[in-house]
Amino acid sequence: QQQVKQSPQSLIVQKGGISIINCAYENTAFDYFPWYQQFPGKGPALLIAIRPDVSEKKEGRFTISFNKSAKQFSLHIMDSQPGDSATYFCAASKGGTASKLTFGTGTRLQVTL
Amino acid sequence: GAGVSQSPRYKVAKRGQDVALRCDPISGHVSLFWYQQALGQGPEFLTYFQNEAQLDKSGLPSDRFFAERPEGSVSTLKIQRTQQEDSAVYLCASSLAGTGGEAFFGQGTRLTVV
Repeated sequence: QQQVKQSPQSLIVQKGGISIINCAYENTAFDYFPWYQQFPGKGPALLIAIRPDVSEKKEGRFTISFNKSAKQFSLHIMDSQPGDSATYFCAASKGGTASKLTFGTGTRLQVTL
Repeated sequence: GAGVSQSPRYKVAKRGQDVALRCDPISGHVSLFWYQQALGQGPEFLTYFQNEAQLDKSGLPSDRFFAERPEGSVSTLKIQRTQQEDSAVYLCASSLAGTGGEAFFGQGTRLTVV
């Protein structure tokens, strides 16, 4: 059973544009929602994370929007750069912990010049 | 060390062979996790240690998979009688504490079973 659904599977954005990746979850016990960035041959690296007591969190060009009632959250990358080209994973866990993360299937982002 | 270190980076095993994958977590990190990442998929949780105690092994796909962390530092994931479906990248992550701590991932071990 896929508990975290992620879309789109792939995304092509022009340099300077906005990249938007969406995730939906089923388990209402989830209370920690991180986004990970993964480059080829590397492990995932934490980008930004949010807890359900806030609806939005911004760090630099990266913003998470969270809709608790819809059980959805999204990642917005503003002013996308070629260096942002990577695979992005949303994830979720429960118990206020980063342990036992349930990951989405990933979005391959390509930022073109 | 500077980060989570995994070895070997690549492993090719013949079907039926046993393999052992090593993880050196960040020094002082209490929690250690193993994940399996199939090609084109997100990582899937395998098991979790807090110090030397294996607190959750619910993600281990079969009794051919075994993990240990005897001294609360280095961990080994062992797969017995490997099958083709075991081919994947095995990721190790560690965090300072299991609650609310960021999980830092290693580069993974790519296992190919032929």
